[in-house]
Amino acid sequence: AQSVTQLGSHVSVSEGALVLLRCNYSSSVPPYLFWYVQYPNQGLQLLLKYTSAATLVKGINGFEAEFKKSETSFHLTKPSAHMSDAAEYFCAVSVGQGAQKLVFGQGTRLTINP
Amino acid sequence: GAVVSQHPSRVICKSGTSVKIECRSLDFQATTMFWYRQFPKQSLMLMATSNEGSKATYEQGVEKDKFLINHASLTLSTLTVTSAHPEDSSFYICSATGTSGRGGTGELFFGEGSRLTVL
Repeated sequence: AQSVTQLGSHVSVSEGALVLLRCNYSSSVPPYLFWYVQYPNQGLQLLLKYTSAATLVKGINGFEAEFKKSETSFHLTKPSAHMSDAAEYFCAVSVGQGAQKLVFGQGTRLTINP
Repeated sequence: GAVVSQHPSRVICKSGTSVKIECRSLDFQATTMFWYRQFPKQSLMLMATSNEGSKATYEQGVEKDKFLINHASLTLSTLTVTSAHPEDSSFYICSATGTSGRGGTGELFFGEGSRLTVL
């Protein structure tokens, strides 16, 4: 069965600092991996997705993630944090094209300090 | 703009009553919709998968008689929480995908979520 683990339920960085949110996956088949962002009392918005093309995936809002099969990781990064990046971030895994059934990680709350 | 809309965004009801939450795809035909439940400060838990015109497929541990899902059209799925109790209070989120147009890209589009509070 597929699963994802997000290391760190809460990450706090200063504005302008590097953002690194960690995600490790477990999958018996080549995975499709996703990062979503959730603002308070809202649904989820797709940041980026990996679907077996380029291992370095660029998403919206300056975020990117790198798929590392050897480390079973798909960490999310952003070079310079902005106050508007404060939100909950979820890593998710799916099997098969089309992002159908997703299994989500526990989520990481990102706080940006001025 | 939003492509999947949920209604209501917030609902408060008395224990024992039933509540219906709607999930609409606004500009594509949603052949498949998913319903999730999210507890405070926790992740999303998939409750069921709904295919248009078919019975929903429920995840293990989810009571199908408690959480009735209907997907009668390609733009609307509903989740009805029957005989609601305080432990049903949660944030319910739907997502949708389709086979054509914007929904045919394979991306899942999420609704804004519906917060249910059962008194």
